[in-house]
Amino acid sequence: DIQMTQSPSTLSASVGDRVTITCRASQSISSWLAWYQQKPGKAPKFLINKASSLESGVPSRFSGSGSGTEFTLTISSLQPDDFATYYCQQYHSYPLTFGQGTKVEIK
Amino acid sequence: QLQLQESGPGLVKSWETLSLTCTVSGGSITISDYFWGWIRQPPGKGLEWIGNVYYSGRTNYSPSLKSRLTISVDTSKNQFSLKLTSVTPADTAVYYCARRKSYSGSGDWGRGTLVTVSS
Repeated sequence: DIQMTQSPSTLSASVGDRVTITCRASQSISSWLAWYQQKPGKAPKFLINKASSLESGVPSRFSGSGSGTEFTLTISSLQPDDFATYYCQQYHSYPLTFGQGTKVEIK
Repeated sequence: QLQLQESGPGLVKSWETLSLTCTVSGGSITISDYFWGWIRQPPGKGLEWIGNVYYSGRTNYSPSLKSRLTISVDTSKNQFSLKLTSVTPADTAVYYCARRKSYSGSGDWGRGTLVTVSS
C-alpha cells in the first residue's frame, strides 16, 4: 500500500495568512493526487485533482503543486470559511489511501 | 445534478453484518469511466477508503477489510451496496458513498450515515 503522510497535523493561522500543507507519498504517484476540504459533520469537498487542477467553483486562493512523492496545498490568503480539515488522497494505485488530515485552526 | 444517498441501519450488533445501500439519482450508475465507492470515518478520526465497484460488477477492496467485505451494484435500481461481516466496535464510523471518475478523485459524495456497532 502507498502511505500518505501529511504535515503538519494541526496548523494555527489567522485570516489573511498564507498557509501551506504538505503531503508525502511513500512511493512515486506521479500527479495522481487529490485534495479535499472537510468541515465538521459534512462530507469532504473535492478541491484539487491531479495535484494542481482546481475543481470548478473552488476559489482561486487554493492551489496545489508537486509530483512524484511530495505535494503541497496552498491557501494564499486564509478566509474564515477555510477553517477546516484538509486531506490528500492518492489514486495512483489500489488501495486508494488518504493522508491523516491537517486541521487548520483559528489562531 | 447527481445525488447519492446512503441508507441502512444505524446500529448493528457485534459479530453481525453491516449492510448499507447507496441510491444514485440524477444520473445513471452505468456511466462509463466512473467508479462507485465507499469511504468511512470513525468518530474524530480520518478518512479510510473501503472499496469501489464499476457498473460491470468489477470491484477493488481495501486489503484490511477484504476478507469481510462485499460491494455490489444493482443497475436496475441505480444502487450499489456494501456488506461488512463480523463487525466489531472498531467498525463504528460515518460511512460515505461517493463517485469517482477514472484517474480522478471523488467529486460527488453522499451526506454520510453513522453506523454504530454495539458490543
